[in-house]
Amino acid sequence: KAGVTQTPRYLIKTRGQQVTLSCSPISGHRSVSWYQQTPGQGLQFLFEYFSETQRNKGNFPGRFSGRQFSNSRSEMNVSTLELGDSALYLCASSSVGVLGTDTQYFGPGTRLTVL
Amino acid sequence: AQSVTQLDSHVSVSEGTPVLLRCNYSSSYSPSLFWYVQHPNKGLQLLLKYTSAATLVKGINGFEAEFKKSETSFHLTKPSAHMSDAAEYFCVVTVNNAGNMLTFGGGTRLMVKP
Repeated sequence: KAGVTQTPRYLIKTRGQQVTLSCSPISGHRSVSWYQQTPGQGLQFLFEYFSETQRNKGNFPGRFSGRQFSNSRSEMNVSTLELGDSALYLCASSSVGVLGTDTQYFGPGTRLTVL
Repeated sequence: AQSVTQLDSHVSVSEGTPVLLRCNYSSSYSPSLFWYVQHPNKGLQLLLKYTSAATLVKGINGFEAEFKKSETSFHLTKPSAHMSDAAEYFCVVTVNNAGNMLTFGGGTRLMVKP
């Protein structure tokens, strides 16, 4: 099976712009989660989508949003970019199972640089 | 709420010597615990997970971890380090009522000297 894929792998944007990142989960996985990784804050949970519905949300401002399509592919959007949004954005997918014990499989990430 | 503390931000060992990466957790409910590894410029790879079955969990590449409820610990060990083990390791906790929201520790960078 193909793993989790994320596009693009690298992005450079300027402050004030918006950006959309894409994630394709492992075939058959219906849950997609997004994480932000920065040197200062480490890995932080952004949100999780399951069957096109947001099931959980982390403590991020409303500029961060996401959605999931009927084929389980997910996108996240960041509007009005700030310098502090520079980070590695990781997507993870998991199959339906007992909540809290699903294994999440991570993609390689999208490295976003905001200038 | 749950939290994870990785007690060492950096660990340095010589090739062929044992590895110990320490992790303590806090959770209001029965936790599921994971160790992930991240090599430079790569995503996260699952090493092993604990989900209330056997307390000694064996993972890939010779790693194992022991869940100790009385000590709220989930330390990662390997009998003999290999150069390819050099990477960043994350201890992770989640609980059943948190959906798939993972809470990560701060990470431990493992360096392996020849």
